[in-house]
Amino acid sequence: AQTVTQSQPEMSVQEAETVTLSCTYDTSESDYYLFWYKQPPSRQMILVIRQEAYKQQNATENRFSVNFQKAAKSFSLKISDSQLGDAAMYFCAYNLHYGGSQGNLIFGKGTKLSVKP
Amino acid sequence: NAGVTQTPKFQVLKTGQSMTLQCAQDMNHEYMSWYRQDPGMGLRLIHYSVGAGITDQGEVPNGYNVSRSTTEDFPLRLLSAAPSQTSVYFCASSYSISGVVSNQPQHFGDGTRLSIL
Repeated sequence: AQTVTQSQPEMSVQEAETVTLSCTYDTSESDYYLFWYKQPPSRQMILVIRQEAYKQQNATENRFSVNFQKAAKSFSLKISDSQLGDAAMYFCAYNLHYGGSQGNLIFGKGTKLSVKP
Repeated sequence: NAGVTQTPKFQVLKTGQSMTLQCAQDMNHEYMSWYRQDPGMGLRLIHYSVGAGITDQGEVPNGYNVSRSTTEDFPLRLLSAAPSQTSVYFCASSYSISGVVSNQPQHFGDGTRLSIL
């Protein structure tokens, strides 16, 4: 069974600094997708970034980038120039590319990020 | 464009009562799913549907029923509520291309906070 592990329950960063959130996953599959979702206090689930496992190039979205290490099954999120609005719970998630359960997301337990002014 | 709409936003039930959580999307998405979010547990999949008339179980289906009579609606039923079902419930939907949903962004509703006394 696939699992997603986020080993940092809480993280803190100073405004304008850089922070990295860790995520590891376990799967025997070779073709899958990885995601980072942000959940602010409003409870909304917001997609931050997405990585396709067959692509070696790390995904980037403005201030957000990932370090995808397929062999190590690691998928960390780097937030540069942190802003107060980045404060939220961040979830790492995985789903298969093919198969009947392909749309089903498997989530980690989350990392709560605080941003200090 | 309403996206994914969940009703109600909050509900308090007594043990043994039944209720239906509503989920509707106006994006003509084939794939829909229900997750529950518990403190420290991330989101876990309850049930999902790949199209009208097709549903299947996720990781934690016990105590919940679903049906999908239309593309737009995917209600979640609690037949006999138990305190262990106290949680925040999220509905999500996603577009599919030639039956592939895994690479499509999932759209989440704002959640329903359910308390069972």
